[in-house]
Amino acid sequence: GAVVSQHPSWVICKSGTSVKIECRSLDFQATTMFWYRQFPKQSLMLMATSNEGSKATYEQGVEKDKFLINHASLTLSTLTVTSAHPEDSSFYICSATSGQGFSYNSPLHFGNGTRLTVT
Amino acid sequence: AQSVTQLDSHVSVSEGTPVLLRCNYSSSYSPSLFWYVQHPNKGLQLLLKYTSAATLVKGINGFEAEFKKSETSFHLTKPSAHMSDAAEYFCVVNDYKLSFGAGTTVTVRA
Repeated sequence: GAVVSQHPSWVICKSGTSVKIECRSLDFQATTMFWYRQFPKQSLMLMATSNEGSKATYEQGVEKDKFLINHASLTLSTLTVTSAHPEDSSFYICSATSGQGFSYNSPLHFGNGTRLTVT
Repeated sequence: AQSVTQLDSHVSVSEGTPVLLRCNYSSSYSPSLFWYVQHPNKGLQLLLKYTSAATLVKGINGFEAEFKKSETSFHLTKPSAHMSDAAEYFCVVNDYKLSFGAGTTVTVRA
C-alpha cells in the first residue's frame, strides 16, 4: 500500500518551454504533498508544501512564479516548471502523507522522481 | 531548532559483513525518526521508523536501528551486507518539520 506515482520519470525540454510533473497517490488520499529538488550527490531540498484545495507554501528562496504547484484533488499534485532554463535541470521528487495534514508519526511516501534536463 | 547529522558521507563494506550508518540529531522536542534508502534515479523508500515506542526498531531487508535518547543517536545497522544494499541512505527527523540528513553512500564489495 501507500504508493506514490510520479510522471514522467525523465524529460528533456528546450530552454524557455514549460514542463509539468505529476504526482499521484494511488491507494490513499494525500491531503499534503511535498516537492523536493535533489542535486547530484546531495540530500533533498524541500521546495514547497501543497495542501489539497489551497495555495502551496514555498520555502525561502524558491520562486513561486517559476515553480507552479497545483493540488486540485486528494490524489494529484502537479509541479510546473515555467520558462525552464538549463539551471533548472535537476532531479525532482514528490512525496505524500496520508491522513489529515502532516502528523508527527506519519512517514512520507515518495515518488520515483523526475529527471529534468533543459537544453 | 532541529538538525540531522549523518556522520559518514561514504561507507564501504564487503559483502556478508556488518553495516553501520551513523545518525545524530538535535531537536527541541522528542521527534520521530526515519531511515530511507534511495537507489540511483529512484525515489526514497522507507526502511524503518521510530515513533516513541520500542527503542530498537526493525525494518525491511534485515535493517534495524536503535534510538538512544541520551546520545541523541539513531544509528542504522545490518548484520550482513548484500550487494543490493548499495545505495544512498538518509536519516530523517520529524518534529512537525522534516529535516533530512546529507546522506550516506553505501558501496558493497564482492
